[in-house]
Amino acid sequence: DAGITQSPRHKVTETGTPVTLRCHQTENHRYMYWYRQDPGHGLRLIHYSYGVKDTDKGEVSDGYSVSRSKTEDFLLTLESATSSQTSVYFCAIGIIRTDTQYFGPGTRLTVL
Amino acid sequence: GENVEQHPSTLSVQEGDSAVIKCTYSDSASNYFPWYKQELGKRPQLIIDIRSNVGEKKDQRIAVTLNKTAKHFSLHITETQPEDSAVYFCAASASQGGSEKLVFGKGTKLTVNP
Repeated sequence: DAGITQSPRHKVTETGTPVTLRCHQTENHRYMYWYRQDPGHGLRLIHYSYGVKDTDKGEVSDGYSVSRSKTEDFLLTLESATSSQTSVYFCAIGIIRTDTQYFGPGTRLTVL
Repeated sequence: GENVEQHPSTLSVQEGDSAVIKCTYSDSASNYFPWYKQELGKRPQLIIDIRSNVGEKKDQRIAVTLNKTAKHFSLHITETQPEDSAVYFCAASASQGGSEKLVFGKGTKLTVNP
């Protein structure tokens, strides 16, 4: 499982509240990614990081921000959650040598 | 940017038959093509990948083929078993020496009937 954990694994929140999801890795990988998965859309990239304090936007970044102050942690924040952000969120790490990505267990977020 | 189309969206086969899932991509600079398998409620798991300097790759009952000219690649599963039932995703990326962004297809739900 490439030493990736996500927390929380499940969360129910209300519209307008801030939410932060955490991705933690134990193997010192430089690249980390946040995806969301919705029925009929597959996996879509929200933000990614190529090092501490180095982040960039993905395909569906509106309404999300990220931070990476330590190599092992990549945080995804919904500043003001909306019902359209109800989804399953997956974190992934990237292996530079091989270009492969490995996913964390996911966080199921429900915004009421 | 890159766009990946995946077909079919659902596929039902009898146990022991072969299954083929096809993907097309738009960016000719893409050079890395992984396939992921996702069981219900689980994370996507990498099952096989191929790079643009290789036309075919096999791993036991699964194989991937790549046609760079036509910009499409396919996953082939032979002698299917009920445990192959899952959603399969293809992806493409243009690696430039780092771990680049993957663009995923929308997935194929494979059902293997006993």
